[in-house]
Amino acid sequence: DQQVKQNSPSLSVQEGRISILNCDYTNSMFDYFLWYKKYPAEGPTFLISISSIKDKNEDGRFTVFLNKSAKHLSLHIVPSQPGDSAVYFCAASISGNTGKLIFGQGTTLQVKP
Amino acid sequence: NAGVMQNPRHLVRRRGQEARLRCSPMKGHSHVYWYRQLPEEGLKFMVYLQKENIIDESGMPKERFSAEFPKEGPSILRIQQVVRGDSAAYFCASSPYEQASGANVLTFGAGSRLTVL
Repeated sequence: DQQVKQNSPSLSVQEGRISILNCDYTNSMFDYFLWYKKYPAEGPTFLISISSIKDKNEDGRFTVFLNKSAKHLSLHIVPSQPGDSAVYFCAASISGNTGKLIFGQGTTLQVKP
Repeated sequence: NAGVMQNPRHLVRRRGQEARLRCSPMKGHSHVYWYRQLPEEGLKFMVYLQKENIIDESGMPKERFSAEFPKEGPSILRIQQVVRGDSAAYFCASSPYEQASGANVLTFGAGSRLTVL
């Protein structure tokens, strides 16, 4: 039962353009969503989060959009840089639960110079 | 602040041996989570512990796997009688999670890569 899904295994973007990574979820109880970035041989690092009561959160080049009715969120990176090349994981959690995060399968982003 | 420390970074075991993976959480963090990443897959939740307590082990395989977080020392993930299917990256994460607050941002270690021959 995959509650958080990232249907695109990979994405390739030209430097300077926008990267859009997508994530779908099935559990309507999720009330926090997070994005993590992972480089090879390293652990995931936190990028940005959004509460289910909001539809947008922005932090520098990174913006996360949430569409609750569609159970869909996306991460926008503008402008994309070669150093953004990594695996991006979407994750979700339920407040008042154990705090565990449920992760998607990940999307590998390649930003070409 | 050294972050979440995991060791060993790489571990090779033969089938039937035991694997012990250690995790020291960030200073000030009392909540530890273990995740497993199989090749070409995402991170799967295994277990959530606080000091001396297992809070949620719903992701742990029913046999051969155990975890502890003693009062003193690191958290340990123990895999007995390893099989080839246990080959994976095992990540530990910690947080200062307070259930009344917002998103539970986990800080991950670099992972321990287990290879079973």
